[in-house]
Amino acid sequence: DTGVSQDPRHKITKRGQNVTFRCDPISEHNRLYWYRQTLGQGPEFLTYFQNEAQLEKSRLLSDRFSAERPKGSFSTLEIQRTEQGDSAMYLCASSLVGRDLAFSSYEQYFGPGTRLTVT
Amino acid sequence: DAKTTQPNSMESNEEEPVHLPCNHSTISGTDYIHWYRQLPSQGPEYVIHGLTSNVNNRMASLAIAEDRKSSTLILHRATLRDAAVYYCILRDWRNDYKLSFGAGTTVTVRA
Repeated sequence: DTGVSQDPRHKITKRGQNVTFRCDPISEHNRLYWYRQTLGQGPEFLTYFQNEAQLEKSRLLSDRFSAERPKGSFSTLEIQRTEQGDSAMYLCASSLVGRDLAFSSYEQYFGPGTRLTVT
Repeated sequence: DAKTTQPNSMESNEEEPVHLPCNHSTISGTDYIHWYRQLPSQGPEYVIHGLTSNVNNRMASLAIAEDRKSSTLILHRATLRDAAVYYCILRDWRNDYKLSFGAGTTVTVRA
């Protein structure tokens, strides 16, 4: 399967612990996105990378959240000192964007998500 | 972000067409209309997008009103696998990194 993969699929942690999630995008995609989805709501944009550069961060991304994409391939999202309000599905997506629109894809391809439960 | 309004839910019978409306009265000239859907326990997947003209692909058709203030996603023959939450999203090509999802329409397909 060559789609977007995320690990782990489920994570249960105690309040105050740190957690890290990994996303592996589609291999030739240069953009990678993180979203958060709570129950009954649509996904909310958190941040995105173009290659290894983090170009935009939502106000939802507090100081306890940090994302990296060190070599422009996989990405990690770390949450420090987790709170119960952090419980959500964390979705990763990727896309290919180029100067030549013929080689760009309009759509973002999403992974299956990591479900975080903070107890 | 430009806002869209969709019904909370719709029901359909299998093999029948489904018309999903979306209102976007504040759409700007730089907004594309995108549709994504999210099947249970999966991430969203792209369905279709358009700017002004109606669009067809293997999954669905998109009918866009002449004034662009509304659009309709058409699933021509619903199957049980089409049961999902469908999101209508306005995507500004100037800030094309961001998808702003609303609550979407939950589609139920009856066998």
